[in-house]
Amino acid sequence: DAGVIQSPRHEVTEMGQEVTLRCKPISGHNSLFWYRQTMMRGLELLIYFNNNVPIDDSGMPEDRFSAKMPNASFSTLKIQPSEPRDSAVYFCASSPGQGPLYEQYFGPGTRLTVT
Amino acid sequence: AQKITQTQPGMFVQEKEAVTLDCTYDTSDQSYGLFWYKQPSSGEMIFLIYQGSYDEQNATEGRYSLNFQKARKSANLVISASQLGDSAMYFCAMSRPDSGGYQKVTFGTGTKLQVIP
Repeated sequence: DAGVIQSPRHEVTEMGQEVTLRCKPISGHNSLFWYRQTMMRGLELLIYFNNNVPIDDSGMPEDRFSAKMPNASFSTLKIQPSEPRDSAVYFCASSPGQGPLYEQYFGPGTRLTVT
Repeated sequence: AQKITQTQPGMFVQEKEAVTLDCTYDTSDQSYGLFWYKQPSSGEMIFLIYQGSYDEQNATEGRYSLNFQKARKSANLVISASQLGDSAMYFCAMSRPDSGGYQKVTFGTGTKLQVIP
């Protein structure tokens, strides 16, 4: 089975540009998570979808960040406009259930550099 | 506050020896899950092992076992017969239900394990 797929794997962009990160969860998984990882702040949950509906977006840093999940097999995380402090590795993860007793499977991550 | 604590920023272990990575957690929930993930230098996050709060037996997956001590609120990862490929960052995580019964996941700060030949 294919794991969680993320694209692009690396993105370098200039400050002020729009960035769109993409994620395809594991087929059959109904929960999807976006995380951001930096040396300073570790792994932070940005937003969590269940059955394509955003459940918890309290981790989204500010209005520049938005996430969508139009269907069960695709999600996007958009940053507009991007800033250098957004540089990080962004992970998408999916889980087969909605409750706390389900493990998450991570994608390979997108390394974003904003110059 | 619900949190995960990993007190060992770095650990060394001799190849073929066993090593224990510490993790303590704090929650007032009755139902929760505890997880360990491995992050090698290549960057991906790999799920290793899971323990549910109601599980009476310690979870095992190959060379990995989770030493679950509920009263002490600890969930230490034990890696037996360490291999060079075990060198990586290891993250402990806790999943607990939010008000809607959905997952609320918290990760620890990680422990960097280096296996010495």
